[in-house]
Amino acid sequence: AQSVSQHNHHVILSEAASLELGCNYSYGGTVNLFWYVQYPGQHLQLLLKYFSGDPLVKGIKGFEAEFIKSKFSFNLRKPSVQWSDTAEYFCAVFYNQGGKLIFGQGTELSVKP
Amino acid sequence: DAGITQSPRHKVTETGTPVTLRCHQTENHRYMYWYRQDPGHGLRLIHYSYGVKDTDKGEVSDGYSVSRSKTEDFLLTLESATSSQTSVYFCAISESGTGIAKNIQYFGAGTRLSVL
Repeated sequence: AQSVSQHNHHVILSEAASLELGCNYSYGGTVNLFWYVQYPGQHLQLLLKYFSGDPLVKGIKGFEAEFIKSKFSFNLRKPSVQWSDTAEYFCAVFYNQGGKLIFGQGTELSVKP
Repeated sequence: DAGITQSPRHKVTETGTPVTLRCHQTENHRYMYWYRQDPGHGLRLIHYSYGVKDTDKGEVSDGYSVSRSKTEDFLLTLESATSSQTSVYFCAISESGTGIAKNIQYFGAGTRLSVL
């Protein structure tokens, strides 16, 4: 079955710490990969996406993600987090076979000032 | 924002009553989706539409129906609401065409539904 797994449910960091959120997905043919962010009380916003090419993708607000095909992973990183990064982060995978966007369970990030 | 309006934004209802949630888009996109968001489950697809009067079931469609009579509107109906349907409901849209841009979904602000 097509599935997406996020390793951490809740991450707590201090400002300026580095961030890495894990995301793994099950094999299912060709995929497109996404990270969405949901700030408290708001809707999901697209943070970054990967379709093809350079496996290191840069998104908004200093976030980046690396696609490692051999590990079926798409981890999100940021070198130095800010209090304003407090939000829930969702990894999502679009499986071209079946045409569905599958979400991970989400990771809640709390950044302490 | 992607030109998506969900209404109502908040609703409290009683078990057994019918509820209809509305998603309206101004982008003229072909594809529209309804998801529910629950803690520990991320977002799960309820139903989706690939055109006027063309809809299909998603992962968690039991207890829900949808209708799309116009390109811009996608309605989600809970025929007889149950407490297990207490959730936050998100509408999403994606572009038309055959390019990979159609694989990018944009989300509305959500509707928080409480069934008592």
